[in-house]
Amino acid sequence: DAGVIQSPRHEVTEMGQEVTLRCKPISGHNSLFWYRQTMMRGLELLIYFNNNVPIDDSGMPEDRFSAKMPNASFSTLKIQPSEPRDSAVYFCASSSRDSGSYEQYFGPGTRLTVT
Amino acid sequence: AQSVTQPDIHITVSEGASLELRCNYSYGATPYLFWYVQSPGQGLQLLLKYFSGDTLVQGIKGFEAEFKRSQSSFNLRKPSVHWSDAAEYFCAVGGAGAAGNKLTFGGGTRVLVKP
Repeated sequence: DAGVIQSPRHEVTEMGQEVTLRCKPISGHNSLFWYRQTMMRGLELLIYFNNNVPIDDSGMPEDRFSAKMPNASFSTLKIQPSEPRDSAVYFCASSSRDSGSYEQYFGPGTRLTVT
Repeated sequence: AQSVTQPDIHITVSEGASLELRCNYSYGATPYLFWYVQSPGQGLQLLLKYFSGDTLVQGIKGFEAEFKRSQSSFNLRKPSVHWSDAAEYFCAVGGAGAAGNKLTFGGGTRVLVKP
């Protein structure tokens, strides 16, 4: 199994630009989670999906952030417009809700730098 | 509400010495407990998990953890630390409660290994 795949691994952009982060969950998993990690705030859950439906987006910092999951094998997290304070590592994780085991498997992350 | 506390932000240990990382949780139902490890520049990797049964669980890389319900704790241990164990360790709690299959993570403990 290839594990959770994220792209790009690194993204450097200028303030005001649109940024799109991508995630492919493990095949067969039906829950997907987006996290943000910073030194100051640690690991924060932004949003999660069950069966492609957003369940809890209370962690999304503001309207500049949006996430979609058009099918079971793909999700995007978009920031528009981006700001320097969005600089962080963004992780995607997936799990199998049906197994009842709840463990999440993380991707390698996307390191975002907004200048 | 569920929460996880890792009281130690940093721990320094000599190579070959034993290691214990503390984790205290708050959860309204039967908890599922996890330990993850994050090496520099990497995503989070599952070390071990507890759902039920034997309160002493074995994980990968020679780690083990003990669930103590009376103390609401799930401490991680390793008898002899290797230099490659230098990383950040996260405790997490989840379960079949109102939060669905969402996990709540602690703030992490960074482990430094001295030669």
